[in-house]
Amino acid sequence: GAVVSQHPSRVICKSGTSVKIECRSLDFQATTMFWYRQFPKKSLMLMATSNEGSKATYEQGVEKDKFLINHASLTLSTLTVTSAHPEDSSFYICSARRPGGPTDTQYFGPGTRLTVL
Amino acid sequence: SQQGEEDPQALSIQEGENATMNCSYKTSINNLQWYRQNSGRGLVHLILIRSNEREKHSGRLRVTLDTSKKSSSLLITASRAADTASYFCATSGGSYIPTFGRGTSLIVHP
Repeated sequence: GAVVSQHPSRVICKSGTSVKIECRSLDFQATTMFWYRQFPKKSLMLMATSNEGSKATYEQGVEKDKFLINHASLTLSTLTVTSAHPEDSSFYICSARRPGGPTDTQYFGPGTRLTVL
Repeated sequence: SQQGEEDPQALSIQEGENATMNCSYKTSINNLQWYRQNSGRGLVHLILIRSNEREKHSGRLRVTLDTSKKSSSLLITASRAADTASYFCATSGGSYIPTFGRGTSLIVHP
């Protein structure tokens, strides 16, 4: 099956710093990737849709200046949490939609655990 | 919102028993998917059922969909300790972007 990777898997940073999380589709080109956030024992919340070569589409309530998304190539999308604060601590998961495959199938990455001290 | 809501929130059973989880949603959908998540890990896709389907099987998994009641169920037969995980339903409408419920935490005791 299709593989999506995330890096890093776990990151701890100080408050005020910025953190970049990478999402890569390893064996297919993904024109569309998605970023989710998950709080402990909670659902996954869609943050934004990342489109290759164009601006990301953010969900209501998600600060686009806080969570910068760059989808510069067909295999890589990055999420940068700028000026991170403890309330940004969460589990961030990306997913990628495979072109030519079923429109309704996404492949999820393993997630990145962010802890802001 | 098309968000699914799973029921129960937590389920604890013995190995060998069947586990049934339910999902209800509010608006019309194109499909409904079930995912599994081990603690602190990413999501594993289990089954996708489309709005014109009523039942699907995959190994020990059986999924039903009742669009008139806006509900779905996931049955895991002959459960194993390795089935311990959180299970999420996710509904998709015209955009085909899944919207997730809060999940059911399943514990299977050996």
